[in-house]
Amino acid sequence: DAMVIQNPRYQVTQFGKPVTLSCSQTLNHNVMYWYQQKSSQAPKLLFHYYDKDFNNEADTPDNFQSRRPNTSFCFLDIRSPGLGDAAMYLCATRGETSGKGTQYFGPGTRLTVL
Amino acid sequence: GNSVTQMEGPVTLSEEAFLTINCTYTATGYPSLFWYVQYPGEGLQLLLKATKADDKGSNKGFEATYRKETTSFHLEKGSVQVSDSAVYFCALSDTGSSNTGKLIFGQGTTLQVKP
Repeated sequence: DAMVIQNPRYQVTQFGKPVTLSCSQTLNHNVMYWYQQKSSQAPKLLFHYYDKDFNNEADTPDNFQSRRPNTSFCFLDIRSPGLGDAAMYLCATRGETSGKGTQYFGPGTRLTVL
Repeated sequence: GNSVTQMEGPVTLSEEAFLTINCTYTATGYPSLFWYVQYPGEGLQLLLKATKADDKGSNKGFEATYRKETTSFHLEKGSVQVSDSAVYFCALSDTGSSNTGKLIFGQGTTLQVKP
């Protein structure tokens, strides 16, 4: 089945130690999103790619970076994780033909910062 | 700007009870409206959607109707099950000129269904 895959599902890192989360999709969607979600709050959009065009939300800290080497893969890099960055990180995709605004989410990566 | 407001939870019901979770929105233009469900430890799953006024989205016994006159998209189910226990998010797509498809979420409503 076509889907959005996130690895790992659980990631533990140390305070200040860089970490990378990955997302892949078999949907061939041209838009990919990264969200941060804390404690069953609503997801908060960090940034998204429209094809290769990167779009950062205004309030996303510089500590968060992203790479999209090809259509299928997108990475979230946290350069110096702080305790406040512990959260669930969700990847989502949207295709031109998937309906107005419909996004499909991966299972998420739960990040713990020690 | 665009916004979504959901009824506060948690909502606790007995199995087979009727469910309503209220959702109202503020938006310019004609956004699409969505309900997503999140089970513990999981990502968000699309439950249903509606793309224009008077559309009814339905899935797994859940329904919601896009009401432009009342700017609402209330979620309903006639008979809930324990397996419906989850967090439900109402959302709209931002149809601004950037065409990002950005979702504006409500705060989420936790549903607990007891046997």
